[in-house]
Amino acid sequence: ILNVEQSPQSLHVQEGDSTNFTCSFPSSNFYALHWYRWETAKSPEALFVMTLNGDEKKKGRISATLNTKEGYSYLYIKGSQPEDSATYLCARNSGYSTLTFGKGTMLLVSP
Amino acid sequence: DSGVTQTPKHLITATGQRVTLRCSPRSGDLSVYWYQQSLDQGLQFLIQYYNGEERAKGNILERFSAQQFPDLHSELNLSSLELGDSALYFCASSAAGGGMNTEAFFGQGTRLTVV
Repeated sequence: ILNVEQSPQSLHVQEGDSTNFTCSFPSSNFYALHWYRWETAKSPEALFVMTLNGDEKKKGRISATLNTKEGYSYLYIKGSQPEDSATYLCARNSGYSTLTFGKGTMLLVSP
Repeated sequence: DSGVTQTPKHLITATGQRVTLRCSPRSGDLSVYWYQQSLDQGLQFLIQYYNGEERAKGNILERFSAQQFPDLHSELNLSSLELGDSALYFCASSAAGGGMNTEAFFGQGTRLTVV
């Protein structure tokens, strides 16, 4: 994998469903993996920054895991709510000052 | 509110013109990053400044330039604008100077439309 790739591109679930997205990235020269939540007409907001293989982070109903050896991270949302509707971005940092972003997963949660 | 302020929010201009986008970072953050979001593209890194000095450069065109002033605000200058420069331009700031193991805080973006 040369770039940061996210799947699926979009997702439509019902309120109460649990869901997860995938972020795949080059495993070489890994420094940190960021997850951001981006609501329409607002600015991207940081959810998690993970650096260690096996890291698991949680914020309310949202959690994320990291596998740096195989180059992937999962974001989980338990019991999705309409207010979770947003684009979820992941970004990889290789130790320099830049973040390489994926194109995001657009989540729509219907009541 | 992330604490990062970008102005203007919207900008419509003609091809060939020059515009300046402004960013005030979060209080205490020394690093400012500029990103471009075009249709169907992910956020593309343009350039980073740290405490007034250029720190890293990404896919920034020669027609674009940026600077960071002593009060740490930053400006992105876009000249000889083309239709393809129409995009959402984000500024972000962080306390990090090098490797980004701390989160970045994003402004709300400037929507540039070139007609």
